[in-house]
Amino acid sequence: NAGVTQTPKFQVLKTGQSMTLQCAQDMNHNSMYWYRQDPGMGLRLIYYSASEGTTDKGEVPNGYNVSRLNKREFSLRLESAAPSQTSVYFCASAGINSNQPQHFGDGTRLSIL
Amino acid sequence: TQLLEQSPQFLSIQEGENLTVYCNSSSVFSSLQWYRQEPGEGPVLLVTVVTGGEVKKLKRLTFQFGDARKDSSLHITAAQPGDTGLYLCAGAKQNRDDKIIFGKGTRLHILP
Repeated sequence: NAGVTQTPKFQVLKTGQSMTLQCAQDMNHNSMYWYRQDPGMGLRLIYYSASEGTTDKGEVPNGYNVSRLNKREFSLRLESAAPSQTSVYFCASAGINSNQPQHFGDGTRLSIL
Repeated sequence: TQLLEQSPQFLSIQEGENLTVYCNSSSVFSSLQWYRQEPGEGPVLLVTVVTGGEVKKLKRLTFQFGDARKDSSLHITAAQPGDTGLYLCAGAKQNRDDKIIFGKGTRLHILP
């Protein structure tokens, strides 16, 4: 069972470069989420999509954009990477309603030099 | 802002000892979830508690939801090195469109 799949698993970028983190889920879930996890800060919500065709800002959206490509896929884009965006990024999905338990991918470890 | 406070932030104990970690809020939640995250992986759901006062057991782990549905505890009996990880609690509100809220977690290290 694949669940939530994130690619790539690791990435190193230079300041100013752009990249897109990919996320796909095979559980027919409606809602999808992007978090970043930093030491001592817990999981911080960047953007979420309550359903196909909708996206909303979370707690820390600056410097990021998202696309809900279809029901399965939700991508996160860094247009001009900054060292402050060095983090571990997690994608998650949840069932019919946004208040249901979330299923997480294994994360993308991103370093910005 | 609705907050979930977890305590302690860090806990390091010997194998075989018992421990309790806490998740507290001033808000009422319709349910509360506990996740465990191991190094290099994403959080994985352990249990959901939905009724005030509810107790759920998962082998050596006992989860309790407070009577007022504002807090929860996780008790581990005879901790094992395999219990090492980050334990996260998350609260869900009644409105099905409201996102769940995560605490910052308790990092647990069981020494062999």
